[in-house]
Amino acid sequence: DTAVSQTPKYLVTQMGNDKSIKCEQNLGHDTMYWYKQDSKKFLKIMFSYNNKELIINETVPNRFSPKSPDKAHLNLHINSLELGDSAVYFCASSQGRTLNTDTQYFGPGTRLTVL
Amino acid sequence: QKEVEQDPGPLSVPEGAIVSLNCTYSNSAFQYFMWYRQYSRKGPELLMYTYSSGNKEDGRFTAQVDKSSKYISLFIRDSQPSDSATYLCAMRHLNDYKLSFGAGTTVTVRA
Repeated sequence: DTAVSQTPKYLVTQMGNDKSIKCEQNLGHDTMYWYKQDSKKFLKIMFSYNNKELIINETVPNRFSPKSPDKAHLNLHINSLELGDSAVYFCASSQGRTLNTDTQYFGPGTRLTVL
Repeated sequence: QKEVEQDPGPLSVPEGAIVSLNCTYSNSAFQYFMWYRQYSRKGPELLMYTYSSGNKEDGRFTAQVDKSSKYISLFIRDSQPSDSATYLCAMRHLNDYKLSFGAGTTVTVRA
């Protein structure tokens, strides 16, 4: 009964490959997010979708493309992987209906290593 | 200069000590303030959520917000080894879902 789940948990791949990370939430939330956490633990927002609509799109290389097939799922596809993409990627979700009480719940993370 | 500054530590304290964690921010538009706890190789989990200036207490945890000084704090009383984790402050604007995080402070509570 995991609230926010991500697959895979670990991903090791070669430079230049294309890979996807999947995220699912069973909280009935409307808003989902992708964050990148670097080796220094700094957590930075990448994208957010509210009811399948893109609402946050930070300065991220266009090799990264989020896709939301429905409001319970937000996948992240990365093309032409580079060494600097190595990080932990976290998915999160929030209710997204009442801003003043909105809180985000995080998944367990996907540790991506690019060789 | 980052929007949110947080001392990365690490911080090592004996069991039972009071842990004090701080963040400063530069953007006065931040209205909502959160503290997350992240255990090693896990996702962040929400600890405290505050809106107004002042103190908010939840068990051994107290969150303090001083909007005039753009400064927030988290205090952990009677710290336990199970409190050993990285603590991240986060904040956002009134009409924005986007969270801005501090760099996180790693805390170790020694038994």
